[in-house]
Amino acid sequence: QKEVEQDPGPLSVPEGAIVSLNCTYSNSAFQYFMWYRQYSRKGPELLMYTYSSGNKEDGRFTAQVDKSSKYISLFIRDSQPSDSATYLCAMSALVTNFGNEKLTFGTGTRLTIIP
Amino acid sequence: EAGVTQFPSHSVIEKGQTVTLRCDPISGHDNLYWYRRVMGKEIKFLLHFVKESKQDESGMPNNRFLAERTGGTYSTLKVQPAELEDSGVYFCASSLTGLGNYGYTFGSGTRLTVV
Repeated sequence: QKEVEQDPGPLSVPEGAIVSLNCTYSNSAFQYFMWYRQYSRKGPELLMYTYSSGNKEDGRFTAQVDKSSKYISLFIRDSQPSDSATYLCAMSALVTNFGNEKLTFGTGTRLTIIP
Repeated sequence: EAGVTQFPSHSVIEKGQTVTLRCDPISGHDNLYWYRRVMGKEIKFLLHFVKESKQDESGMPNNRFLAERTGGTYSTLKVQPAELEDSGVYFCASSLTGLGNYGYTFGSGTRLTVV
Protein backbone atom coordinates (compact mmCIF):
# COMPACT_ATOMS: atom_id res chain seq x y z
CA GLN A 1 0.00 0.00 0.00
CA LYS A 2 1.25 3.46 -0.87
CA GLU A 3 1.86 5.86 1.98
CA VAL A 4 -0.01 8.61 0.11
CA GLU A 5 -2.99 8.02 -2.14
CA GLN A 6 -4.21 10.62 -4.61
CA ASP A 7 -6.81 10.24 -7.33
CA PRO A 8 -4.92 10.81 -10.59
CA GLY A 9 -7.97 12.16 -12.39
CA PRO A 10 -8.11 13.62 -14.92
CA LEU A 11 -10.53 16.17 -13.54
CA SER A 12 -12.26 18.71 -15.81
CA VAL A 13 -14.43 21.51 -14.47
CA PRO A 14 -15.90 24.68 -16.00
CA GLU A 15 -14.31 28.04 -15.32
CA GLY A 16 -15.54 29.60 -12.11
CA ALA A 17 -16.30 26.29 -10.40
CA ILE A 18 -14.96 25.25 -7.01
CA VAL A 19 -12.38 22.50 -7.29
CA SER A 20 -11.72 19.98 -4.54
CA LEU A 21 -8.55 17.91 -4.59
CA ASN A 22 -7.79 15.31 -1.96
CA CYS A 23 -5.16 12.96 -0.60
CA THR A 24 -5.24 10.29 2.04
CA TYR A 25 -2.24 8.92 3.84
CA SER A 26 -1.36 6.06 6.12
CA ASN A 27 1.74 7.26 7.99
CA SER A 28 0.64 8.95 11.21
CA ALA A 29 4.11 10.49 11.58
CA PHE A 30 3.39 13.00 8.82
CA GLN A 31 3.00 16.48 10.29
CA TYR A 32 3.83 18.84 7.43
CA PHE A 33 1.55 18.94 4.43
CA MET A 34 2.10 20.66 1.13
CA TRP A 35 0.37 21.18 -2.17
CA TYR A 36 2.42 21.68 -5.28
CA ARG A 37 1.27 22.76 -8.73
CA GLN A 38 3.11 21.46 -11.76
CA TYR A 39 2.70 22.75 -15.27
CA SER A 40 3.72 20.62 -18.21
CA ARG A 41 7.49 20.28 -18.61
CA LYS A 42 8.10 22.29 -15.44
CA GLY A 43 9.06 21.41 -11.89
CA PRO A 44 6.59 21.37 -9.00
CA GLU A 45 5.83 24.80 -7.53
CA LEU A 46 4.88 25.13 -3.86
CA LEU A 47 1.32 26.43 -3.44
CA MET A 48 0.39 25.81 0.17
CA TYR A 49 2.16 24.62 3.31
CA THR A 50 0.38 23.60 6.49
CA TYR A 51 1.46 22.12 9.77
CA SER A 52 -0.69 19.61 11.65
CA SER A 53 -4.50 19.85 11.47
CA GLY A 54 -6.47 22.90 10.47
CA ASN A 55 -7.16 25.23 7.57
CA LYS A 56 -5.01 27.70 5.71
CA GLU A 57 -6.23 30.19 3.13
CA ASP A 58 -4.25 32.05 0.49
CA GLY A 59 -6.29 33.96 -2.02
CA ARG A 60 -8.45 31.54 -3.97
CA PHE A 61 -6.74 28.53 -2.42
CA THR A 62 -7.65 26.82 0.86
CA ALA A 63 -5.78 23.86 2.31
CA GLN A 64 -7.35 21.64 4.94
CA VAL A 65 -5.72 18.96 7.04
CA ASP A 66 -7.61 16.42 9.14
CA LYS A 67 -4.99 14.32 10.90
CA SER A 68 -7.59 12.24 12.72
CA SER A 69 -8.85 10.99 9.36
CA LYS A 70 -5.44 11.18 7.64
CA TYR A 71 -7.03 13.28 4.92
CA ILE A 72 -5.94 16.52 3.29
CA SER A 73 -7.72 18.72 0.80
CA LEU A 74 -7.05 21.66 -1.48
CA PHE A 75 -9.93 23.85 -2.58
CA ILE A 76 -9.69 26.26 -5.47
CA ARG A 77 -12.41 28.90 -5.67
CA ASP A 78 -13.37 30.76 -8.83
CA SER A 79 -11.20 28.44 -10.89
CA GLN A 80 -9.43 29.93 -13.89
CA PRO A 81 -8.05 28.32 -17.07
CA SER A 82 -4.57 29.23 -15.78
CA ASP A 83 -5.20 26.83 -12.88
CA SER A 84 -5.03 23.93 -15.35
CA ALA A 85 -2.08 21.85 -14.17
CA THR A 86 -1.20 18.75 -12.20
CA TYR A 87 -1.64 19.17 -8.45
CA LEU A 88 0.56 17.13 -6.15
CA CYS A 89 0.16 16.60 -2.45
CA ALA A 90 3.33 16.01 -0.44
CA MET A 91 4.05 15.26 3.19
CA SER A 92 6.94 15.23 5.58
CA ALA A 93 7.39 13.82 9.05
CA LEU A 94 10.19 16.05 10.27
CA VAL A 95 11.59 19.50 10.14
CA THR A 96 15.05 19.77 11.60
CA ASN A 97 17.56 22.56 11.76
CA PHE A 98 18.34 21.61 8.17
CA GLY A 99 14.76 22.19 7.04
CA ASN A 100 12.26 19.69 5.74
CA GLU A 101 13.18 16.09 5.67
CA LYS A 102 12.28 14.07 2.60
CA LEU A 103 8.88 14.54 1.08
CA THR A 104 6.49 11.75 0.20
CA PHE A 105 4.35 12.64 -2.78
CA GLY A 106 1.01 11.57 -4.14
CA THR A 107 0.82 10.67 -7.81
CA GLY A 108 -0.80 13.99 -8.71
CA THR A 109 -4.22 14.96 -10.08
CA ARG A 110 -4.40 16.42 -13.56
CA LEU A 111 -6.85 19.33 -13.54
CA THR A 112 -8.31 21.10 -16.58
CA ILE A 113 -10.43 24.24 -16.26
CA ILE A 114 -12.67 24.62 -19.26
CA PRO A 115 -13.27 28.26 -20.39
CA GLU B 1 16.79 35.60 -7.96
CA ALA B 2 17.71 32.75 -10.29
CA GLY B 3 15.84 29.53 -9.68
CA VAL B 4 17.11 25.98 -9.50
CA THR B 5 18.79 25.15 -12.79
CA GLN B 6 19.11 21.66 -14.17
CA PHE B 7 20.81 20.43 -17.30
CA PRO B 8 20.54 18.86 -19.64
CA SER B 9 16.79 19.23 -19.94
CA HIS B 10 16.64 16.04 -21.97
CA SER B 11 19.01 13.12 -22.40
CA VAL B 12 18.65 10.01 -24.50
CA ILE B 13 21.28 7.33 -23.94
CA GLU B 14 21.70 3.67 -24.69
CA LYS B 15 21.55 1.02 -22.04
CA GLY B 16 24.97 0.54 -20.51
CA GLN B 17 26.13 4.10 -21.11
CA THR B 18 26.89 6.70 -18.47
CA VAL B 19 24.95 9.89 -17.93
CA THR B 20 25.67 12.80 -15.60
CA LEU B 21 22.94 15.18 -14.56
CA ARG B 22 23.76 18.56 -13.07
CA CYS B 23 21.87 20.80 -10.66
CA ASP B 24 22.67 24.37 -9.67
CA PRO B 25 20.65 25.30 -6.58
CA ILE B 26 19.54 28.77 -5.62
CA SER B 27 22.52 30.69 -4.30
CA GLY B 28 22.77 30.39 -0.54
CA HIS B 29 20.59 27.29 -0.29
CA ASP B 30 22.51 24.74 1.74
CA ASN B 31 19.88 22.03 1.30
CA LEU B 32 19.88 20.24 -2.04
CA TYR B 33 17.62 17.32 -2.86
CA TRP B 34 17.30 14.90 -5.76
CA TYR B 35 13.97 13.32 -6.62
CA ARG B 36 12.86 11.10 -9.49
CA ARG B 37 9.60 10.37 -11.22
CA VAL B 38 9.36 7.27 -13.35
CA MET B 39 6.49 6.82 -15.80
CA GLY B 40 3.12 6.55 -14.11
CA LYS B 41 4.55 6.69 -10.61
CA GLU B 42 4.81 9.34 -7.93
CA ILE B 43 7.83 11.58 -7.43
CA LYS B 44 10.22 9.76 -5.11
CA PHE B 45 13.03 10.98 -2.92
CA LEU B 46 16.59 9.99 -3.82
CA LEU B 47 18.88 11.92 -1.51
CA HIS B 48 19.49 15.08 0.49
CA PHE B 49 22.67 17.12 0.77
CA VAL B 50 23.37 19.70 3.43
CA LYS B 51 26.19 21.69 1.94
CA GLU B 52 28.62 19.03 0.70
CA SER B 53 27.51 16.30 3.10
CA LYS B 54 24.96 13.60 2.37
CA GLN B 55 22.30 14.01 5.04
CA ASP B 56 20.03 11.22 3.78
CA GLU B 57 20.65 8.90 0.85
CA SER B 58 18.04 6.32 1.75
CA GLY B 59 16.22 6.73 -1.56
CA MET B 60 19.12 5.91 -3.85
CA PRO B 61 18.00 2.79 -5.74
CA ASN B 62 21.36 1.03 -6.10
CA ASN B 63 25.09 1.58 -6.45
CA ARG B 64 24.80 2.54 -10.11
CA PHE B 65 23.76 5.97 -8.87
CA LEU B 66 26.41 8.34 -7.52
CA ALA B 67 25.64 11.85 -6.29
CA GLU B 68 28.19 14.48 -5.43
CA ARG B 69 28.10 18.07 -4.31
CA THR B 70 31.53 19.56 -4.61
CA GLY B 71 32.15 22.52 -2.35
CA GLY B 72 28.53 22.63 -1.33
CA THR B 73 27.47 24.39 -4.49
CA TYR B 74 26.25 22.52 -7.58
CA SER B 75 25.51 18.82 -7.54
CA THR B 76 25.87 16.02 -10.05
CA LEU B 77 24.00 12.74 -10.27
CA LYS B 78 25.76 10.08 -12.29
CA VAL B 79 24.12 6.90 -13.50
CA GLN B 80 26.61 4.23 -14.54
CA PRO B 81 25.77 1.97 -16.28
CA ALA B 82 22.27 3.12 -17.17
CA GLU B 83 19.46 0.58 -17.32
CA LEU B 84 16.06 0.84 -19.02
CA GLU B 85 14.27 1.25 -15.69
CA ASP B 86 16.29 4.39 -14.96
CA SER B 87 14.20 6.31 -17.48
CA GLY B 88 12.19 9.10 -15.92
CA VAL B 89 12.34 12.73 -14.89
CA TYR B 90 14.99 13.66 -12.36
CA PHE B 91 14.22 16.72 -10.27
CA CYS B 92 16.56 18.72 -8.14
CA ALA B 93 15.30 21.02 -5.40
CA SER B 94 16.92 23.36 -2.90
CA SER B 95 15.96 25.18 0.28
CA LEU B 96 17.41 27.27 3.06
CA THR B 97 18.40 25.58 6.29
CA GLY B 98 16.88 26.44 9.62
CA LEU B 99 13.53 26.07 11.25
CA GLY B 100 10.87 28.15 9.58
CA ASN B 101 12.16 27.49 6.10
CA TYR B 102 9.55 25.23 4.65
CA GLY B 103 9.07 23.62 1.32
CA TYR B 104 11.50 23.49 -1.56
CA THR B 105 12.10 25.19 -4.86
CA PHE B 106 12.26 22.64 -7.65
CA GLY B 107 14.07 22.80 -10.95
CA SER B 108 12.33 21.92 -14.20
CA GLY B 109 13.91 18.48 -14.24
CA THR B 110 16.01 16.39 -16.57
CA ARG B 111 14.06 13.93 -18.69
CA LEU B 112 16.20 10.83 -19.06
CA THR B 113 15.38 8.17 -21.62
CA VAL B 114 17.40 4.97 -21.69
CA VAL B 115 16.94 2.95 -24.88
